[in-house]
Amino acid sequence: NAGVTQTPKFQVLKTGQSMTLQCAQDMNHNSMYWYRQDPGMGLRLIYYSASEGTTDKGEVPNGYNVSRLNKREFSLRLESAAPSQTSVYFCASSEQGEVGELFFGEGSRLTVL
Amino acid sequence: AQTVTQSQPEMSVQEAETVTLSCTYDTSESDYYLFWYKQPPSRQMILVIRQEAYKQQNATENRFSVNFQKAAKSFSLKISDSQLGDAAMYFCAYRIPYTGANSKLTFGKGITLSVRP
Repeated sequence: NAGVTQTPKFQVLKTGQSMTLQCAQDMNHNSMYWYRQDPGMGLRLIYYSASEGTTDKGEVPNGYNVSRLNKREFSLRLESAAPSQTSVYFCASSEQGEVGELFFGEGSRLTVL
Repeated sequence: AQTVTQSQPEMSVQEAETVTLSCTYDTSESDYYLFWYKQPPSRQMILVIRQEAYKQQNATENRFSVNFQKAAKSFSLKISDSQLGDAAMYFCAYRIPYTGANSKLTFGKGITLSVRP
């Protein structure tokens, strides 16, 4: 079972460069999420998509954009990367309505120089 | 807004002993869900245990159990017979059972658990 797949796993960027983190899930979940994890801060929600065609800002959306391409895929884009965006990024998915756990990808470590 | 607080950044336990990780939360909701996730060095987020607020009985999963005190808004995780593989960061998390925009999971800052052989 693939579950939630994120790419790339590691990326180094220079300040001002752009990049897109890709996420796909094969569990037919409606809801998808992007979190960032920083030391001492836990996981903070960047954006989420409750269902295909909808996206909403989370706690720390500045500097990011998202696209819910279809039910399976939810991408996170950094248009002009900044050192403050150096972090580990997690994509997750869950079933809507019936509250269950979030299923996470393996994380993507992004370093912005 | 809902908040989740894990006040202890680090804890240590001797192998085979029991340890309790603390978590408190703040909410005005009466129905919600609480979770403990484990993050080993591999970075993978693994669900350890889940508690529904409407259930009075504390959840248990093998060596893992919770002490859920709804009135006190406390949700602690007890690990019995600690093993070396339990060494990880543990996150407490909260979620309300609504669809749409409120379906997100709110995390505490985490606690790093080390296990001494």
